[in-house]
Amino acid sequence: AQTVTQSQPEMSVQEAETVTLSCTYDTSESDYYLFWYKQPPSRQMILVIRQEAYKQQNATENRFSVNFQKAAKSFSLKISDSQLGDAAMYFCAYRTYTGANSKLTFGKGITLSVRP
Amino acid sequence: DGGITQSPKYLFRKEGQNVTLSCEQNLNHDAMYWYRQDPGQGLRLIYYSQIVNDFQKGDIAEGYSVSREKKESFPLTVTSAQKNPTAFYLCASSKGQGRAVVNEKLFFGSGTQLSVL
Repeated sequence: AQTVTQSQPEMSVQEAETVTLSCTYDTSESDYYLFWYKQPPSRQMILVIRQEAYKQQNATENRFSVNFQKAAKSFSLKISDSQLGDAAMYFCAYRTYTGANSKLTFGKGITLSVRP
Repeated sequence: DGGITQSPKYLFRKEGQNVTLSCEQNLNHDAMYWYRQDPGQGLRLIYYSQIVNDFQKGDIAEGYSVSREKKESFPLTVTSAQKNPTAFYLCASSKGQGRAVVNEKLFFGSGTQLSVL
């Protein structure tokens, strides 16, 4: 079974500092995709960044970057120059293609607070 | 603007009652999903549909039912068999289920908060 683990339920960061959110996953597949979604207080889900497992280069999107360690099945999100608007719940998610379907499986999420 | 519309935003269910949550999308997406969100539980998949008139159970389908009569619509019914229905329900869609679109992001609606009276 596919599982996604986010072991830290809450984290806090000082504005303008850098924070790293951890995520590990368990799979026997070799071809899959990983995502980080953000859920602000409005509860609207927003895609932050995605990574294709066959690509060794870590994905980056402006202040957001990932550290993808395929052998360790680790997919952490680094937020640089943290802003107040980054305060939200962050979900790590995993998706693969297995025949007729490809479910997106989410971790339990991390609540990030940003201190002014 | 294209997007996903969920209604109502808040819904209250009486004991023994069935309630239906609406989800409509105008993105021309083939795949649609229903997720349930509980505090500390993340998002759990209830049902998903890849094409019209076809749908599959997710991880927590018991007590729920769906239909996919139109590409744009994927309503979720919370039946009286669901004994703990209080949760936040999110509908999502994506371009499809084939291998070429597995990396496509999901588009989410704004959610429905269901509570029991």
